[in-house]
Amino acid sequence: AQSVTQLGSHVSVSEGALVLLRCNYSSSVPPYLFWYVQYPNQGLQLLLKYTSAATLVKGINGFEAEFKKSETSFHLTKPSAHMSDAAEYFCAVSGRSNDYKLSFGAGTTVTVRA
Amino acid sequence: GAGVSQTPSNKVTEKGKYVELRCDPISGHTALYWYRQSLGQGPEFLIYFQGTGAADDSGLPNDRFFAVRPEGSVSTLKIQRTERGDSAVYLCASSLLGITGGDEQFFGPGTRLTVL
Repeated sequence: AQSVTQLGSHVSVSEGALVLLRCNYSSSVPPYLFWYVQYPNQGLQLLLKYTSAATLVKGINGFEAEFKKSETSFHLTKPSAHMSDAAEYFCAVSGRSNDYKLSFGAGTTVTVRA
Repeated sequence: GAGVSQTPSNKVTEKGKYVELRCDPISGHTALYWYRQSLGQGPEFLIYFQGTGAADDSGLPNDRFFAVRPEGSVSTLKIQRTERGDSAVYLCASSLLGITGGDEQFFGPGTRLTVL
């Protein structure tokens, strides 16, 4: 079974600073990996996903993530934080075949300081 | 276009009561998923439909929980004899095909269930 672990339940960054959210996965085979964002009182929105086409994945709103098999990691980054990036971020994993469900991490709440 | 919608947005009920939560997926999406998100946690899988049939209900916590999708579109999650521990946000998602794990799932805003 696949699972993910998000390191750090809260991250606080200054506006304009680097955002780094950590995610490590556990899977017997290379999985599909996702980052979702959840704004207050809104549904989950897909930021980006890894499907093995490229190890560096670019998503919406300036976010990107790099799949590192040797480290079993899929960390999310954004070079320059904006106030609108304040939200909760979830890393998720699903299997390659006959395993459609997403397994989510516990989430990381990002606050952005002016 | 219209996204996934869920009704009601909030539901408050008393312990022991029966509740139904509704999900309207994106038109044309054959796959539909239910997840449950407890406070401070990530969503947890409950059940997955491919068309009208429940292809995977391994996440349903017990037999008080049941879901249907009779015409392959709208789905209803039903909870009998609700307990305080059922309080959570219930999320619905849909995807176009759902035949591979990489299919993007589009989430609704959720129904917040509170059991008093």
